[in-house]
Formats: sequence, C-alpha cells, structure tokens
Amino acid sequence: GDSVTQMEGPVTLSEEAFLTINCTYTATGYPSLFWYVQYPGEGLQLLLKATKADDKGSNKGFEATYRKETTSFHLEKGSVQVSDSAVYFCALSDKGQNFVFGPGTRLSVLP
Amino acid sequence: DGGITQSPKYLFRKEGQNVTLSCEQNLNHDAMYWYRQDPGQGLRLIYYSQIVNDFQKGDIAEGYSVSREKKESFPLTVTSAQKNPTAFYLCASSIRGSEKLFFGSGTQLSVL
Repeated sequence: GDSVTQMEGPVTLSEEAFLTINCTYTATGYPSLFWYVQYPGEGLQLLLKATKADDKGSNKGFEATYRKETTSFHLEKGSVQVSDSAVYFCALSDKGQNFVFGPGTRLSVLP
Repeated sequence: DGGITQSPKYLFRKEGQNVTLSCEQNLNHDAMYWYRQDPGQGLRLIYYSQIVNDFQKGDIAEGYSVSREKKESFPLTVTSAQKNPTAFYLCASSIRGSEKLFFGSGTQLSVL
C-alpha cells in the first residue's frame, strides 16, 4: 500500500537557521502531497500542498516541491523562528479518498 | 466561527469501561474521520464516514465503534476490547472528495 517516510527527529536548530525536513513516498497512483503542522496540544493544520509533479507548495516561508522522479516532497524554510517549533507531518492523498501520514518530525528552534 | 470541536480534552478510562469521545463540526462537511496518534508514530485511521448513516473501518478499527446519525456529529466509542487505548485521538472532517482535512484539537485518553 501507499506509505510516507520522513527523516527522524527531533531536529534542533538555532533561530534564523535553514531548515530541511526530508519526505519520500511510495504510491501506486499519482497522489497529492501535503505538509501538516501540529503545535503542542493541538490538532494538525494544513501548511502547504502540491497536486502534481513539479508543483511547488508554499506558505508562511515554507516551501516544498513535488519531485516525481525521486518520489520526494522535502520541506524547506530559509530562516526558522522560535514560533516554528512544532511537529511536521508529510502526507499523501489519492484524490481525497485515502490519506496516509508519515510519523512526524519534531522541530525545536532555540532563540 | 466554523470548526471542529472535540471533547473532552482529557479522558480517563478504567479497566473494562467503555468511553465515548465527542466530535462535532459546523463546517457542513460530508466526510469525517477518526485518527489515533501514538508518540513517534504517524496518524492511523480508525474509522471514517463519507455520508450520514454510513461509515467504514480504517486500518485499526478493532476495539472501537462509531455512529453517524447526524452530519455534524461523529462520536467514537473506545470499548473494553481495546487493550491499549492510551493515545491522542484526533477527529477530522473534509468536503467529500476534497484533499484538505480540518482537524479538531484532540482528546488525550489515558487508562487509570
């Protein structure tokens, strides 16, 4: 079945550092790809999405590009802030019928 | 404001007891979902419902039951058959066929 793999955390960075969180997927079809963020004690919020190959999703300074050739959707941000500390989940969906989430990567940003 | 409300935020279960987690949404969404989140693991799908009076098992439905009598409500019962119920439970909803999930703030269930 479909699956999502993320780099293991936790990731600890200093404020203004560059962030990369790796995500790769396995899917039989052509899924849409997502990054969700979870702040402490809360549910998940959609951060960004891409629906086809070479699409770039972006939001709040975060970006991720749908790479079909490498089956990847890595999350990047040029300069992280303390407020970005959270757990980040990579996910895929097959036309809204089936959502598969990765294990999540905890990010801690130190002032 | 529209959204998804889960209650209670914290819940404790005694051995052999059934407990019910509430999930209500006023987004007029057709589809609703229950996920279980364990530390260091991704979300695992317990049950989902695409329309009223219909629901389907997810990947880990054993020991759980649901009902969908109203569009806005999708309660989850954790039965005594679920031997390891301690987890964070998340309810979500979406427009049917949409690829965007809206999540509630979760319920932390613990065993006494």
